[in-house]
Amino acid sequence: QKEVEQNSGPLSVPEGAIASLNCTYSDRGSQSFFWYRQYSGKSPELIMSIYSNGDKEDGRFTAQLNKASQYVSLLIRDSQPSDSATYLCAGPISSNTGKLIFGQGTTLQVKP
Amino acid sequence: DADVTQTPRNRITKTGKRIMLECSQTKGHDRMYWYRQDPGLGLRLIYYSFDVKDINKGEISDGYSVSRQAQAKFSLSLESAIPNQTALYFCATSDATGEGETQYFGPGTRLLVL
Repeated sequence: QKEVEQNSGPLSVPEGAIASLNCTYSDRGSQSFFWYRQYSGKSPELIMSIYSNGDKEDGRFTAQLNKASQYVSLLIRDSQPSDSATYLCAGPISSNTGKLIFGQGTTLQVKP
Repeated sequence: DADVTQTPRNRITKTGKRIMLECSQTKGHDRMYWYRQDPGLGLRLIYYSFDVKDINKGEISDGYSVSRQAQAKFSLSLESAIPNQTALYFCATSDATGEGETQYFGPGTRLLVL
């Protein structure tokens, strides 16, 4: 069983809509989660990190963490064609190890 | 200049050849990682190092070896390359201080083994 799971998509949304990306994880001890964006052929770049239950907002991006249900999500408001990329969810294998497990990524397509 | 650099950026080699991929960082981080990425499989950890004297295997270390020459340098070697090692390879660094372990990635090396 994979420890971090994402729907590979593609998820297609029209420009200006809200894109919702979801991720589930199996390790209840995981404390911190990360969302990375990866354009085709490029390296992953960090968008958001979240460590506490609830929501964390940064511009058009909101990360949500629900530890009881073991899921983390990323909302992108006012989606733009430039948001079209693969979004990787990552969580620690266990606390304080420094090792991350990555989901397989969800491909987002924002159509003009 | 980029904080995390990888050389070469692209490499074509033949089965059985030994090759080395290099990673350098100017972020001052102690922790460094090597990942490979294959379509549909996400990022998988090959090796990681928490300091110069600490080297650890990741989930897919068979067929690979690493060397941590200095805090800023971490090299990945394929002793005898095989075609299923064709992939995109990323180096990453992280800083153990603070909350969480944000990792910062290099630009990647695209490797083709014929």
